[in-house]
Amino acid sequence: QSALTQPASVSGSPGQSITISCTGASSDVGGYNYVSWYQQHPGKAPKLMIYEVSNRPSGVSNRFSGSKSGNTASLTISGLQAEDEADYYCSSYTSTSTYVVFGGGTKLTVL
Amino acid sequence: EVQLVESGGGLVQSGGSLRLSCAASGFTFSSYWMTWVRQAPGKGLEWVANIKQDGSEKYYVDSVKGRFTFSRDNAKNSLYLQMNSLRAEDTAVYYCARLGDYAQFDYWGQGALVTVSS
Repeated sequence: QSALTQPASVSGSPGQSITISCTGASSDVGGYNYVSWYQQHPGKAPKLMIYEVSNRPSGVSNRFSGSKSGNTASLTISGLQAEDEADYYCSSYTSTSTYVVFGGGTKLTVL
Repeated sequence: EVQLVESGGGLVQSGGSLRLSCAASGFTFSSYWMTWVRQAPGKGLEWVANIKQDGSEKYYVDSVKGRFTFSRDNAKNSLYLQMNSLRAEDTAVYYCARLGDYAQFDYWGQGALVTVSS
C-alpha cells in the first residue's frame, strides 16, 4: 500500500484535458511544497514532469501543470496527445523516516 | 547532457550479495546529492537511499537499513550500492538518480534489474 493515493487509471480523448489526483497527509503533501510528478513509459525510466508542486523542468511541455490544495496535489494535462499515454507517479517529501513517498501510479489511456 | 548509467544487476540467491554501480557524466557530480529508487516488477516506485555530496551523510529506507550500503567516489563520478542479505522482496529495477533542491529526482539512469531467487 503506497503512502500517497492516486487513481489507478484515467482516460481521455485527444485534445481533452485530464487531472490526476494525489492524496497524502499533513506529514507529506499537506505540509510541504515538495511535490513532484513523473511520467513513465513502458520499459523506460521515469521522467520528471513537475517539481515543487507546479514548476516545470526545462523542456517539459506547458500542457503539463501542477497544483495543490490541502493534502491533495493534482497534475493536469491539457490538449491530450497520444504520446502522453503512460504511467504517472506523484511523490512528496515526508517528515517521517522515509525521505520521499510515492503514489501507487496512475495509468493514463488516450482513447 | 546529463547521463547516468547503472551496471551490476543480475540474478542472485536469497541471502546473497550484489553491488550496483552508477556512472555519472554531463554535470558536476560532486555538487549533488544522489539517490537510488527501485521498482518491483509491475509495481510502483520506492525511494531506497540518499547520499550527500561528500558522502558524509546517508539515509536509507527502513527495509534496507543494515543490509545496503550507499557510497560514492567523486574522483570517478560514480555511485555504488552494496546489497547484502538479499531477499526476494528486493527484486526490482534499481535506478540511480540525481536529487534536486526540492526533493525531486531530476535525472534518472536506465535502471539495473536485480532478481533475488528463493
